[in-house]
Amino acid sequence: ETGVTQTPRHLVMGMTNKKSLKCEQHLGHNAMYWYKQSAKKPLELMFVYNFKEQTENNSVPSRFSPECPNSSHLFLHLHTLQPEDSALYLCASSQEVGRRETQYFGPGTRLLVL
Amino acid sequence: QKEVEQNSGPLSVPEGAIASLNCTYSDRGSQSFFWYRQYSGKSPELIMSIYSNGDKEDGRFTAQLNKASQYVSLLIRDSQPSDSATYLCAVRVDNYGQNFVFGPGTRLSVLP
Repeated sequence: ETGVTQTPRHLVMGMTNKKSLKCEQHLGHNAMYWYKQSAKKPLELMFVYNFKEQTENNSVPSRFSPECPNSSHLFLHLHTLQPEDSALYLCASSQEVGRRETQYFGPGTRLLVL
Repeated sequence: QKEVEQNSGPLSVPEGAIASLNCTYSDRGSQSFFWYRQYSGKSPELIMSIYSNGDKEDGRFTAQLNKASQYVSLLIRDSQPSDSATYLCAVRVDNYGQNFVFGPGTRLSVLP
């Protein structure tokens, strides 16, 4: 596979469930990101990892827990979510080349919390 | 607060016309600018990146950057119905970690 892949593509979970979203990038990039996209709202950056180290955490509730075991894989562990957490969760990766950096997105996981 | 603003639209243009999409940003330290296209239910797809003042052309797309006015635009020539989508403007600020700030998007509708 090429580019950025995400699994699952769709997920329905109850508020007491625990699930994980997976992202894998095949581009050799060093940075990976989680974004949340809700209806009629801009993309919200959640977490950034650079060389496996978390560099950004934009005040995300603790019910979202990221994990980056290596530069190619990124997980988002979900537990005790709320209905307002229903959204499209997008993974992205990027690589800085000469102070220029372009970000590429995966297909997203559409999450519904009941 | 670093902000990126766009007119949410919808912007409707007839097929074959030029569609003009605009974006303003608040942080003067911004150095990298991007336009993404997002079809309904899909993820954002990179169309153009621009780093220097002036115009950058790629096929039917032209990005224009004016750092003094903190303004970036995207022109789509010979618009096609397949161009109907939401267009996201994104800005990366140097020395601000690896934080890409996105605008709310402009919905474009190209009418056959």
